[in-house]
Amino acid sequence: EAGVAQSPRYKIIEKRQSVAFWCNPISGHATLYWYQQILGQGPKLLIQFQNNGVVDDSQLPKDRFSAERLKGVDSTLKIQPAKLEDSAVYLCASSLLGNLGTDTQYFGPGTRLTVL
Amino acid sequence: GESVGLHLPTLSVQEGDNSIINCAYSNSASDYFIWYKQESGKGPQFIIDIRSNMDKRQGQRVTVLLNKTVKHLSLQIAATQPGDSAVYFCAEAYSNSGYALNFGKGTSLLVTP
Repeated sequence: EAGVAQSPRYKIIEKRQSVAFWCNPISGHATLYWYQQILGQGPKLLIQFQNNGVVDDSQLPKDRFSAERLKGVDSTLKIQPAKLEDSAVYLCASSLLGNLGTDTQYFGPGTRLTVL
Repeated sequence: GESVGLHLPTLSVQEGDNSIINCAYSNSASDYFIWYKQESGKGPQFIIDIRSNMDKRQGQRVTVLLNKTVKHLSLQIAATQPGDSAVYFCAEAYSNSGYALNFGKGTSLLVTP
């Protein structure tokens, strides 16, 4: 079974530029998550989708971050404009249904973003 | 605010020894706990989970213990191998946050030959 795919793996941009990340979850997984992992810290949830609807985006900085999952499969996360503090690894995860305690979240390899 | 933390940022053990990684949580409403392993350049990998109605759960070479009285979680790895070297995160989830996981900062485990 193929895992969660993410691209690009690395991205370097200057502050105030825009950047987009792509995620393809495990086939059949209804729930998709985007996490931000700053160096030396655990992942922090940015947004959670159930199919193509948003379940939780309470920690997403909506003035600069946006995410979509239009057809309920692939998802993109965008930052516009980027700030220095956005330098982090952006992880995508998926789970079958998103049911607490019954579904495992499977993570992709992440995209490492460096903002100069 | 509520947080999940780890007692030790780094842990060094010899190959073959048992490892114990500890985690404290502060939200008594948390009812689901998970341990993840993260190797350099990779995403977190699920190891084992436990619900709040359990005290202990065993997997292959791993055991998770939950002490709700003192809000403490531990991961025990038996016969630690070099491939176990990684950063280990505990995460909690609770119903009033939907299904969101709250991760701690992580413990780096280094296994020496």
